[in-house]
Amino acid sequence: DTGVSQNPRHKITKRGQNVTFRCDPISEHNRLYWYRQTLGQGPEFLTYFQNEAQLEKSRLLSDRFSAERPKGSFSTLEIQRTEQGDSAMYLCASSSDSHWLDTQYFGPGTRLTVL
Amino acid sequence: AQKVTQAQTEISVVEKEDVTLDCVYETRDTTYYLFWYKQPPSGELVFLIRRNSFDEQNEISGRYSWNFQKSTSSFNFTITASQVVDSAVYFCALRVGGGNKLTFGTGTQLKVEL
Repeated sequence: DTGVSQNPRHKITKRGQNVTFRCDPISEHNRLYWYRQTLGQGPEFLTYFQNEAQLEKSRLLSDRFSAERPKGSFSTLEIQRTEQGDSAMYLCASSSDSHWLDTQYFGPGTRLTVL
Repeated sequence: AQKVTQAQTEISVVEKEDVTLDCVYETRDTTYYLFWYKQPPSGELVFLIRRNSFDEQNEISGRYSWNFQKSTSSFNFTITASQVVDSAVYFCALRVGGGNKLTFGTGTQLKVEL
């Protein structure tokens, strides 16, 4: 039983560049979430998918951020024109609405450093 | 709006001591769910426990126990006979019924030393 996987684990980029992260959820999970975690803080919700539909977006998700889940399986999070303030750990989680507990299980995260 | 407060930023204990991590939550919803996650240095959040607002029974799992008290809006976590491997950041989180996102506290860094 594989858990949530994320790639890459680390990304260093220069300010102004675009970056894309990938998340592969637990195979039977139809819900997928993105969170952002900065140093010394708890994760903050960014967006949520039910199958391929993006149902909720945080106001933290500026116009430079876009997330997709085209076939209801893996998801990508793209940040355009990166800024130093985007430096953070980006966490993906998945859950199943067919399970009454609907607990979110997290991946290892992608650590982004914007120089 | 929901809020989770973990007032203890960092706790240091000696191995085999018991330690309690505090969590206070705020919500106007009557149905909600509380969680504890562990984040070791590797960075991955590990699910520990979930509690529903309608079930105030305390729970024990090995050296871990949780005390849920709606009267004080608290969901505290106790580790008995702590071990070095318990060293991590522990997060308390809240999800309201019908909602999807987790609202996390700022975490408590636990350091267990020999």
